[in-house]
Amino acid sequence: DAGVIQSPRHEVTEMGQEVTLRCKPISGHNSLFWYRQTMMRGLELLIYFNNNVPIDDSGMPEDRFSAKMPNASFSTLKIQPSEPRDSAVYFCASSLISDIRPLRPQHFGDGTRLSIL
Amino acid sequence: EDQVTQSPEALRLQEGESSSLNCSYTVSGLRGLFWYRQDPGKGPEFLFTLYSAGEEKEKERLKATLTKKESFLHITAPKPEDSATYLCAVQSNFGNEKLTFGTGTRLTIIP
Repeated sequence: DAGVIQSPRHEVTEMGQEVTLRCKPISGHNSLFWYRQTMMRGLELLIYFNNNVPIDDSGMPEDRFSAKMPNASFSTLKIQPSEPRDSAVYFCASSLISDIRPLRPQHFGDGTRLSIL
Repeated sequence: EDQVTQSPEALRLQEGESSSLNCSYTVSGLRGLFWYRQDPGKGPEFLFTLYSAGEEKEKERLKATLTKKESFLHITAPKPEDSATYLCAVQSNFGNEKLTFGTGTRLTIIP
């Protein structure tokens, strides 16, 4: 089965430019998560969706960041305008949320390495 | 606020030399504790979920254990292919689906 697919794998752009990261979750999963990973802070949750609806966006750093999930097969994370401090690896993960044990783990894509010059 | 602290930050072992990684946590009602493995340039790969104190899970050379304040990942007779960063995360009963991650232990197994 295909895992979580992210694109692009690498993105290098200049400060002030718009950046769009894309994610295709695992088919059948009902939740999607966007994380950011840095050396200093590790993995941090930015936002997550359940059934395409944003549930918790408390981790989104500021208004320059926005995320959408127009359907169950696709999500985007957009940064506009980008700044050098946004440089990090961005991961998308998906899961099948259930209250019944065993809890379904989150499955991660291989990330987008973003460099803002 | 949920917190996860992992130690050591980095660990170098000879092949066959067993050891343990530590994950200390504070959470407002533990729903689950997760262990992941992350290889360079890859996303985290799920290993185990633990739910309550006293629980243990095993997979090949890895065994995860859980107490009310910490979890250990025991590595028995490791091989070079066990080299990776190991991440611990907690999910709270009151924090919806959010996972709070530690910063990981970078494990290197020397042949």
